[in-house]
Amino acid sequence: ETGVTQTPRHLVMGMTNKKSLKCEQHLGHNAMYWYKQSAKKPLELMFVYSLEERVENNSVPSRFSPECPNSSHLFLHLHTLQPEDSALYLCASSQDGTASYGYTFGSGTRLTVV
Amino acid sequence: QKEVEQNSGPLSVPEGAIASLNCTYSDRVSQSFFWYRQYSGKSPELIMSIYSNGDKEDGRFTAQLNKASQYVSLLIRDSQPSDSATYLCAVNSGNTPLVFGKGTRLSVIA
Repeated sequence: ETGVTQTPRHLVMGMTNKKSLKCEQHLGHNAMYWYKQSAKKPLELMFVYSLEERVENNSVPSRFSPECPNSSHLFLHLHTLQPEDSALYLCASSQDGTASYGYTFGSGTRLTVV
Repeated sequence: QKEVEQNSGPLSVPEGAIASLNCTYSDRVSQSFFWYRQYSGKSPELIMSIYSNGDKEDGRFTAQLNKASQYVSLLIRDSQPSDSATYLCAVNSGNTPLVFGKGTRLSVIA
């Protein structure tokens, strides 16, 4: 595996379910990010981790819970979501927290909440 | 508030023409600038990065940066229908996440 891998690619869940999104980067990067992209809307930053420490939580509802056990893995735990949470969830990584060389994005998880 | 502005489009150009995409940013200390291409339903893909004033060419793509005027542009020469996508401008100002524009939708008409 190379680059940034996200699983699953597609997820349909009910509002009472609990699920997790997984992201793994094979680039030796030290910072990882979760973004939300709703239809026809710009990217919304959700969480930033640098060296496994959360450095930014962009006022995200508590029904989204991130976890970064090491610099290669990032999870987004989901529970009691709302239909408006349906979106493309993107994971990204950068060499370090300054993102001076930009991000590498994963292929995303298309989430549908029913 | 750091901002990155792009015209949302759609920008329509005929096949073979030059597509010109523009982006302005508010933070004067911005240091790194990126263009991402995003096909519908897919994730953004980095296509160009530029760090100093002037032009940077890569194949059919040229990025232009003018820090004094706080704008960065992307030119696509010999546009192809496969270039039809949304192009995101992103700016880095140091120890913060990238700031993204809302993207410009480009449509290349065959």
